[in-house]
Amino acid sequence: DTGVSQDPRHKITKRGQNVTFRCDPISEHNRLYWYRQTLGQGPEFLTYFQNEAQLEKSRLLSDRFSAERPKGSFSTLEIQRTEQGDSAMYLCASSWGQGDQETQYFGPGTRLLVL
Amino acid sequence: AQSVAQPEDQVNVAEGNPLTVKCTYSVSGNPYLFWYVQYPNRGLQFLLKYITGDNLVKGSYGFEAEFNKSQTSFHLKKPSALVSDSALYFCAVRDPLRATGGFKTIFGAGTRLFVKA
Repeated sequence: DTGVSQDPRHKITKRGQNVTFRCDPISEHNRLYWYRQTLGQGPEFLTYFQNEAQLEKSRLLSDRFSAERPKGSFSTLEIQRTEQGDSAMYLCASSWGQGDQETQYFGPGTRLLVL
Repeated sequence: AQSVAQPEDQVNVAEGNPLTVKCTYSVSGNPYLFWYVQYPNRGLQFLLKYITGDNLVKGSYGFEAEFNKSQTSFHLKKPSALVSDSALYFCAVRDPLRATGGFKTIFGAGTRLFVKA
């Protein structure tokens, strides 16, 4: 257990529905990242928060995706109008910005299946 | 652009034998390299990292990795494999988000390790 938790662990939804995932980072970590992992691939970066500010978005993050981190603590990732191509594992990671020694610690992920 | 490559989709080794999982990297600037392990339903766990210094990096669960600048490699090793080491292993490199601080982690495709009793 890395100390990063995600909820739910699994989600099955029908195409066109909206889904929301939650990530609770390690409490003292100021940076939070979302990644997506499709079958047979390594995780790919989606977006990054420092405290409550969303500072970076990947081109993978279409306008159907939105992420928030109110108060710089937990974060949510919402996907609107889900598509079958959104089926993947969504991973959250957190870190304490500390220069060269910074290490990202990952949660267990939320596995999404869009039917 | 930063990238890593894991040339083997799968590695098979007998319990008690040494194991090596290969990784090569391509970076601009200094390499910041990581190994993560993924067990089913348990997300990614950090094993070790190379930032600078000694080319042999020791990590969790008896794993170590050897940084080789001339061969641009960062192979993961363990002297004696356990059945419980069977998992998916990812090599990764840090890609700085220069304008905003922080970094994104660029992962290889992963190598599945099977340790047979």
